[in-house]
Amino acid sequence: DSGVTQTPKHLITATGQRVTLRCSPRSGDLSVYWYQQSLDQGLQFLIQYYNGEERAKGNILERFSAQQFPDLHSELNLSSLELGDSALYFCASSSGAGGTYEQYFGPGTRLTVT
Amino acid sequence: EDKVVQSPLSLVVHEGDTVTLNCSYEVTNFRSLLWYKQEKKAPTFLFMLTSSGIEKKSGRLSSILDKKELFSILNITATQTGDSAVYLCAVDSNYQLIWGAGTKLIIKP
Repeated sequence: DSGVTQTPKHLITATGQRVTLRCSPRSGDLSVYWYQQSLDQGLQFLIQYYNGEERAKGNILERFSAQQFPDLHSELNLSSLELGDSALYFCASSSGAGGTYEQYFGPGTRLTVT
Repeated sequence: EDKVVQSPLSLVVHEGDTVTLNCSYEVTNFRSLLWYKQEKKAPTFLFMLTSSGIEKKSGRLSSILDKKELFSILNITATQTGDSAVYLCAVDSNYQLIWGAGTKLIIKP
């Protein structure tokens, strides 16, 4: 158990809908990262927050947005969902910003868009 | 454009064999290289390498970084079926991790 929690574990929704994925980092960690992993694909970095501020942006679509709240939990919002958005979405946390800090991954949210 | 390339993409070996997984990179501002193991769930951290030529070891796993030739290898000796997983390499460039596609390792009993 990494100490990172994600809810929900599974989500099934229809195209065009909007969903929110939630992540609570490990106690004391200030950075939260969001990743997308499609079937048989590598991890795609979406976005990173550090202590409430956006720190880095990866391949995140304009239909997706995220935020980190004062209590450091984070939410990833996915809107106008398409079939291709079906994937495993991971949240990770680290104590600092950047790759010199080990990232701890949550169990993921499996999103299925039908 | 920053990129991380892992090879091979997949590998099937028998229990007891030794395997070497490769990770090469081209990034603008190298800070560190990390290895993760992903079984059916979330990736778990294995090693972080920042200095060239210094081997990191953990049991049967070891890794080394060559900053001159821009690559790292992950060795697993005396493989066991529990080593079956996808092994991911990531490089920190400008405080952002660039991930490789992973090597899928299958260990046959």
